[in-house]
Amino acid sequence: EVQLVESGGGLVQPGGSLRLSCAASGFTFSSYSMNWVRQAPGKGLEWVSYISSSSSTIYYADSVKGRFTISRDNAKNSLYLQMNSLRAEDTAVYYCARAGGGSPGAFDIWGQGTMVTVSS
Amino acid sequence: EIVLTQSPATLSLSPGERATLSCRASQSVSSYLAWYQQKPGQAPRLLIYDASNRATGIPARFSGSGSGTDFTLTISSLEPEDFAVYYCQQRSNWPPAYTFGQGTKLEIK
Repeated sequence: EVQLVESGGGLVQPGGSLRLSCAASGFTFSSYSMNWVRQAPGKGLEWVSYISSSSSTIYYADSVKGRFTISRDNAKNSLYLQMNSLRAEDTAVYYCARAGGGSPGAFDIWGQGTMVTVSS
Repeated sequence: EIVLTQSPATLSLSPGERATLSCRASQSVSSYLAWYQQKPGQAPRLLIYDASNRATGIPARFSGSGSGTDFTLTISSLEPEDFAVYYCQQRSNWPPAYTFGQGTKLEIK
């Protein structure tokens, strides 16, 4: 079964750090670009970051540039998001999502999400 | 930055009716326009990619159309399980980014 499972979410104080992980299974992880997408409580979807299959190309949304770092370990079938200098507005469910399903422009597989709460 | 505007914000229909959801871009987008369905407490599910191609396992009652700045998701005959929030999404080459619309909530009338 093709699956993505996120972990690492939790409660963190403003200015703090958190590292999210996404474990992939059921497909050849090293062949796919991956993304992080977040959703604040009761709000819509916001793309956060993209990493190509070989890690050679990385993009960030302006809202997280300079604070978040995306990375991956193809040997471990894992995707990561290092989040520093966290703000209240970073509070959201964070999903990892595979770019694929017939188009590099779409996200065909999603994890169940991990909740990040930034609050004092 | 390309902005996607979805309309209407809320659509109230009955099972069996036809649903037409709109997604308008602030400037012409590439063919990378996708549609997603999200139910409460669940991750989004890809319905349509490249404007008009159904994703794997998506029923034929879902169809997508459009090009340039105007795109449409049509559900030909609503089933009870179709009531959810729908998002459009595009990928731009420069600046490199993905953008989602704000969503359309499809609710039972």
